[in-house]
Amino acid sequence: NAGVMQNPRHLVRRRGQEARLRCSPMKGHSHVYWYRQLPEEGLKFMVYLQKENIIDESGMPKERFSAEFPKEGPSILRIQQVVRGDSAAYFCASSTQGSNQPQHFGDGTRLSIL
Amino acid sequence: QKEVEQNSGPLSVPEGAIASLNCTYSDRGSQSFFWYRQYSGKSPELIMSIYSNGDKEDGRFTAQLNKASQYVSLLIRDSQPSDSATYLCALSYGNNRLAFGKGNQVVVIP
Repeated sequence: NAGVMQNPRHLVRRRGQEARLRCSPMKGHSHVYWYRQLPEEGLKFMVYLQKENIIDESGMPKERFSAEFPKEGPSILRIQQVVRGDSAAYFCASSTQGSNQPQHFGDGTRLSIL
Repeated sequence: QKEVEQNSGPLSVPEGAIASLNCTYSDRGSQSFFWYRQYSGKSPELIMSIYSNGDKEDGRFTAQLNKASQYVSLLIRDSQPSDSATYLCALSYGNNRLAFGKGNQVVVIP
């Protein structure tokens, strides 16, 4: 499967636990983006990464959220000390290098906080 | 976050008819525009990209861009029940970020 791969598809956490969401970009893509979709709301940009670099994290909440895209392995979106309001669908997208290239999305991780 | 407006409520069209979706945006500097289709509980799927004024056709889909008036539209010809989904308008700004509208739900009635 050459598409964007996200796992897990569903993740349940209790308040205060940590959530780790993984994303492997489409083959040949070196740019990764994370978006969050809250119920009844549109997709919101969170962070843009290239290998070993955070390019733009202007959409990330200032606390508890972090992202990385190491030299080897998938991109990770990490949410520490989760709260009920973190319940959402988290989508990863990838693109090729260059401005304004189309972004292709993975199937998302549905995060539920108990 | 840039403003992308999709104001129409759910759109019901009979099978075989044309579905027309509109989107307006606030950032005159935006250069790239996209339409995504999202089925309920699924991921957004890219169906059209458009970068210059005018029309772009791909199969049953036509995207129209008017930068002077700051709107982009999507026409779906010969609508099929499988076209029933939410259609998201998006534009690229800054560091390749996408700003999305809230989407328009389309229901194709057999």
